[in-house]
Amino acid sequence: GAGVSQTPSNKVTEKGKYVELRCDPISGHTALYWYRQSLGQGPEFLIYFQGTGAADDSGLPNDRFFAVRPEGSVSTLKIQRTERGDSAVYLCASSLKHGPTEAFFGQGTRLTVV
Amino acid sequence: GDSVTQMEGPVTLSEEAFLTINCTYTATGYPSLFWYVQYPGEGLQLLLKATKADDKGSNKGFEATYRKETTSFHLEKGSVQVSDSAVYFCALKTGANNLFFGTGTRLTVIP
Repeated sequence: GAGVSQTPSNKVTEKGKYVELRCDPISGHTALYWYRQSLGQGPEFLIYFQGTGAADDSGLPNDRFFAVRPEGSVSTLKIQRTERGDSAVYLCASSLKHGPTEAFFGQGTRLTVV
Repeated sequence: GDSVTQMEGPVTLSEEAFLTINCTYTATGYPSLFWYVQYPGEGLQLLLKATKADDKGSNKGFEATYRKETTSFHLEKGSVQVSDSAVYFCALKTGANNLFFGTGTRLTVIP
C-alpha cells in the first residue's frame, strides 16, 4: 500500500480481555517497529522486527504483550488480560532494512481499556 | 544503552520569534539522528535528518546540525509561524537499525 496501515483505528475493550492490533507496513520495508504513546509522552519503544524475527523485544513491558510477523510483512501486536494502564495509542512504523532511512508511521490504534 | 534526551516543554513563542529545541543523545557507534513532528490530529512524520557528524538537516525553515563533540542535534528555526505549532520529537537510529525517541516538546506559536 501507499503507507503504513493500522487497524482498527480505535478499540475499546473491557479489562481482562484479549486484543489484537494489526499493522500493514509499506511494501518492501523489512524493518517494522511497534511503539506505545501515552498522552503527552513520546513514543515508547516496544519491539522491532527485521523480517520475520524480533531483532529487539526489550521494550515489551511484561509477558502479557506479544507480537508476531510470520511472513515478514503484516504484524500483529497481542495483549492478553488487558489492564486499564494499557490504554494508549499504539503506533507502528516501517523502514527499509539498511541505512539511515526514515521510518514511516501509521496513524495508530487508540486502545481504551474500561 | 542508546537514548535521546530532549528539552522539556511546553514552549510558547510569538510569531516570528527564534526557536531552539535542545536534543542530546547517548549512543554506541555512529547513529543517525532525526527530528519528527506531530501536528494536531495527525500522525508522526519526518521533519529532517542527519546521518553523520557535521551534517546539517533542513526542511521547512528548520535546521539541525549533528554535533558529535557535544552529542547534540538541536532544532532551530529563525522565524516561527502559527502553523509550526506541533509536538517535536528528537530520535536516534542505531547501527542495529533500532529507533528511539525523546519525550517530545510541545510548541505553541501565538499570533
